[in-house]
This record gives sequence, C-alpha cells and structure tokens, in this order.
Amino acid sequence: DIQMTQSPSSLSASVGDRVTITCRASQSITSYLNWYQQKVGKAPKLLIYAATSLQSGVPSRFSGSGSGTDFTLTITSLQPEDFATYYCQQSYSTPLTFGGGTRIEIK
Amino acid sequence: QVQLQESGPGLVKPSETVSLNCSVSGDSISTYYWSWIRQPPGKGLEWIASIYYSGTTNYNPSLKSRVTISVDTSKNHFSLKLTSVTAADTALYYCARIRVPAVIWDAFDIWGQGTMVTVSS
Repeated sequence: DIQMTQSPSSLSASVGDRVTITCRASQSITSYLNWYQQKVGKAPKLLIYAATSLQSGVPSRFSGSGSGTDFTLTITSLQPEDFATYYCQQSYSTPLTFGGGTRIEIK
Repeated sequence: QVQLQESGPGLVKPSETVSLNCSVSGDSISTYYWSWIRQPPGKGLEWIASIYYSGTTNYNPSLKSRVTISVDTSKNHFSLKLTSVTAADTALYYCARIRVPAVIWDAFDIWGQGTMVTVSS
C-alpha cells in the first residue's frame, strides 16, 4: 500500500494568511494526487486533482503543486470559509489511500 | 446535476451483516466507477471498494474478505455489504463517483452526504 503522510496535522492561521500543507507519498505516484476539503458534518469536497488541476467551481486561491512523492496545497489569502480539514489522496494504485488530514483552525 | 444518496440501517449488532445502498440521480450509472469510502468518528478517510457498471470491482485488501460491492444498472444504484461487523466498523459511510468515465485512477468528484453505521449490541 502507498502511505500518504500529511504535515502539519493541524495549524492555526488568520484570515488573509497564506497557508501551505504538505503531503508525502511513500513511493512515486507521479501526478496522481488529489486534495479535498472537509467541513464539520459535511462530505469531502474535491479541490485539486492530478496534483495541479483546479476542480470546477473552486476558488483560484487554492493551488496544488508537486510530483513524484512530494506535494503541496497552497491557500493564498485564507478566507473564513476555508477553516476546515484538508486531505490528500493518491489515485496511482489500489488500495486508494488518503493522508491523515490537516485541520486549519482560526488563530 | 448528479446526486448520490446513501441509505442504511443505522444500528447493527456485532457479528451481523450490514447492507448499504447508494442511489444515483442526474446521470446514468453506466459511465463511471462508483465507490464506498468510510470515516470513523473523528478520524480520517478509508477507501473500501469501487465498481464499474460492467461489474468490474476493486477492493481494499484490508476489508476484502468481508466486503461485497455490487451494482444494479436497472435501478441506477450500487450497494455495499459488510459481514461480521465489529465496533471498529462504526463509521460514516460515503458513496462517491470517480471523476473520469471508465477510469478508477482518478479523484472522487461527487460524494453523497453519508450514512452512519453504528455497531453495538
């Protein structure tokens, strides 16, 4: 199985901050990396697919980068509605696996 | 737009079998891979299985011996059966669509709201 490791597991930030979350795969997954946002009591929402492609309807302040084993999700100018938990997921091989999540809290 | 709606029994006794259903509306089920993903309370996400309308299946090896995923194209829904449940199977179970038609190696772009399964005597 491919293990996905996210860091940090949580962070505190303020509205307007630039935030970066890291995801590392235990082996190369080329660009088969996806990012999700999950708010409390809601289903995950796809933000980024194929490492860098923005899902339709997702604000442009979200961006993804990386390939191989190291990936990042960046939120420029954090908005109040962005406080949530973020997960990475590899779709390179089954079993499809998720990172442990990064919770963004209000500072 | 495409919508997914899960349904299930809610409460199940240990050692029993739980059956979950996901109804697909707004699109034909005969185009994409469809999946089940679960999330224990306060924890992360775990992929369980995926199925194509043709019946091609993929299972998480950690659950494969206890899980069956199936599809009914006439009803436009797919299902999950999990046997010999324990407290460790208590979770919110989501159904989801994989984004690219006929491809499993892609993201989950549409999710249901989830159905809670609690295993307790």
